[in-house]
Amino acid sequence: GAVVSQHPSWVICKSGTSVKIECRSLDFQATTMFWYRQFPKQSLMLMATSNEGSKATYEQGVEKDKFLINHASLTLSTLTVTSAHPEDSSFYICSAKDRGGGSPLHFGNGTRLTVT
Amino acid sequence: AQTVTQSQPEMSVQEAETVTLSCTYDTSESNYYLFWYKQPPSRQMILVIRQEAYKQQNATENRFSVNFQKAAKSFSLKISDSQLGDTAMYFCAYLLTTSGTYKYIFGTGTRLKVLA
Repeated sequence: GAVVSQHPSWVICKSGTSVKIECRSLDFQATTMFWYRQFPKQSLMLMATSNEGSKATYEQGVEKDKFLINHASLTLSTLTVTSAHPEDSSFYICSAKDRGGGSPLHFGNGTRLTVT
Repeated sequence: AQTVTQSQPEMSVQEAETVTLSCTYDTSESNYYLFWYKQPPSRQMILVIRQEAYKQQNATENRFSVNFQKAAKSFSLKISDSQLGDTAMYFCAYLLTTSGTYKYIFGTGTRLKVLA
């Protein structure tokens, strides 16, 4: 089946530094990738939609200058949390959609970010 | 606006018994896709089942089946012969397609605990 690799699985960083999270589709071409944030015991909150070769579309309330998304190829999207603060600590999940109108999302394993 | 509602925050079921998780959604579209995802304690999102709205036949995957009532906009998940490994958060999701763009809308989730 379709595999999405997300790296790192966890990261601890100091306040004010930047962190990059990678999301790769290993055996299919992902024309669209989605970045979610999940708070404990809550649902997935869509942050942005990333299309290969174009600018990401951010959801309302998500700071695009803080959460930089790059989708440079059909198999790689990155999320960079810039100038991280403790309130950015969360679980971030990427997912990818392959070709086909009604295809399901394939999810990465998630990244737990802790900002100290 | 499209919304997905899961009215049962938590449920429990005895091992080997059957349990049904409810999901309702709101849409003005005639063709769309619905999904159930499972998120075990590992937090990896796993696709359980997929339903195409234009197909009247309910989708089935081994012990998992859905009761899709299009007119009522209801999409419940039935788990038969529940196993301890079914303990997880279950999310219902709706795929919205608009002018070639895609957005997956998730419900708030139902936490299912299978009891030994």
